Amino acid sequence: AQTVTQSQPEMSVQEAETVTLSCTYDTSESDYYLFWYKQPPSRQMILVIRQEAYKQQNATENRFSVNFQKAAKSFSLKISDSQLGDAAMYFCAYRRAPYTGTASKLTFGTGTRLQVTL
Amino acid sequence: DAGITQSPRYKITETGRQVTLMCHQTWSHSYMFWYRQDLGHGLRLIYYSAAADITDKGEVPDGYVVSRSKTENFPLTLESATRSQTSVYFCASGRGDTGYQDEQFFGPGTRLTVL
Repeated sequence: AQTVTQSQPEMSVQEAETVTLSCTYDTSESDYYLFWYKQPPSRQMILVIRQEAYKQQNATENRFSVNFQKAAKSFSLKISDSQLGDAAMYFCAYRRAPYTGTASKLTFGTGTRLQVTL
Repeated sequence: DAGITQSPRYKITETGRQVTLMCHQTWSHSYMFWYRQDLGHGLRLIYYSAAADITDKGEVPDGYVVSRSKTENFPLTLESATRSQTSVYFCASGRGDTGYQDEQFFGPGTRLTVL
């Protein structure tokens, strides 16, 4: 079974600084997707960034980027120029490909709570 | 309203009562999911549905029942609520594409308290 591990329950970063959230996963599959979701106090789950395992290039979305190390099964999220609005719980998630049956489900880590200070 | 909605947003019930959480999506997505969120566990899949009238168990299905008679609705029923089912419940939907556009969209969640 696939597992996702986030070893940092809480992180703190100063506004305008850079922070990296860690995620490791375990799978025997070669084709899969990885995601980072943000959950602010409103509880809404918001997709931040996704990475396809077959792509070597790391995904980027504005201030958010990932460091995907397939051999090490590591998928960290870097937030640059942190803003107060980045304060939230961040979840790493894994999904098998293709999108059929139980492969369609997301497997989540336990989350990292990010605080942003002035 | 377009998107995915859940009702109620908050619910308090007593042990042994039946509770139904509603989920509605307007995109005609094939796939729908129910997750529960608990401290220390992240989100875990309860049930999912690949299409109308097709449902299957996830990781933690015990004590829950689902149905999907229409593509847009996916209700989750707790037949006899227990305190261990106190949680935040998220419904999600997805197109089921194998390509890039495979995002799951989440509803706003329902906070359920079982006394």
